[in-house]
Amino acid sequence: GAVVSQHPSWVICKSGTSVKIECRSLDFQATTMFWYRQFPKQSLMLMATSNEGSKATYEQGVEKDKFLINHASLTLSTLTVTSAHPEDSSFYICSARGKQGLSSYEQYFGPGTRLTVT
Amino acid sequence: AQSVTQLDSHVSVSEGTPVLLRCNYSSSYSPSLFWYVQHPNKGLQLLLKYTSAATLVKGINGFEAEFKKSETSFHLTKPSAHMSDAAEYFCVAPGGYNQGGKLIFGQGTELSVKP
Repeated sequence: GAVVSQHPSWVICKSGTSVKIECRSLDFQATTMFWYRQFPKQSLMLMATSNEGSKATYEQGVEKDKFLINHASLTLSTLTVTSAHPEDSSFYICSARGKQGLSSYEQYFGPGTRLTVT
Repeated sequence: AQSVTQLDSHVSVSEGTPVLLRCNYSSSYSPSLFWYVQHPNKGLQLLLKYTSAATLVKGINGFEAEFKKSETSFHLTKPSAHMSDAAEYFCVAPGGYNQGGKLIFGQGTELSVKP
């Protein structure tokens, strides 16, 4: 149980275009989803926290107009990188936190999405 | 504020020898603590978690960790390393009350296993 999927697993796009990444909780309802960014050989950096039906909360330094997050249902959150540039190339990972029945702090991680902007 | 420190950025062991990955935490209360493993270009997989039920926690793939409050440590161990254990390991703690469920990540320890 507690499986999180991401789609796509990797994407290449041209500079200036937008890319949408989906994060789904497959067998549980995720009240909160988190989006992370990871650079090579580094730890995960939290970008934003999204709760179903409300606006995402962005970490300091993360441009909310560039990284659009939508959490429209209890099983789906999307991250859209708008007007992508080469410096946005990175590994993006989502995670989900469930309702009662699951540890209140434990997060379940997706497999990640490798974004390359050319 | 909660913080997590992984004392080694890189650990190298030979196959069949013990593994020790060190983690210290800073908290004013007994926290939950987690160890996650990440293989290259993959997401994070939970190895084990401490939730105050028992100080010695057994996880998957033969890993275990001991919570030592007096030392504020939560080191990860395995008696005998396998080649497939080569990966990045993260010690993780909750961000604390009123943090919306955020997690605090250690810097990560890269484990290399030599044949």
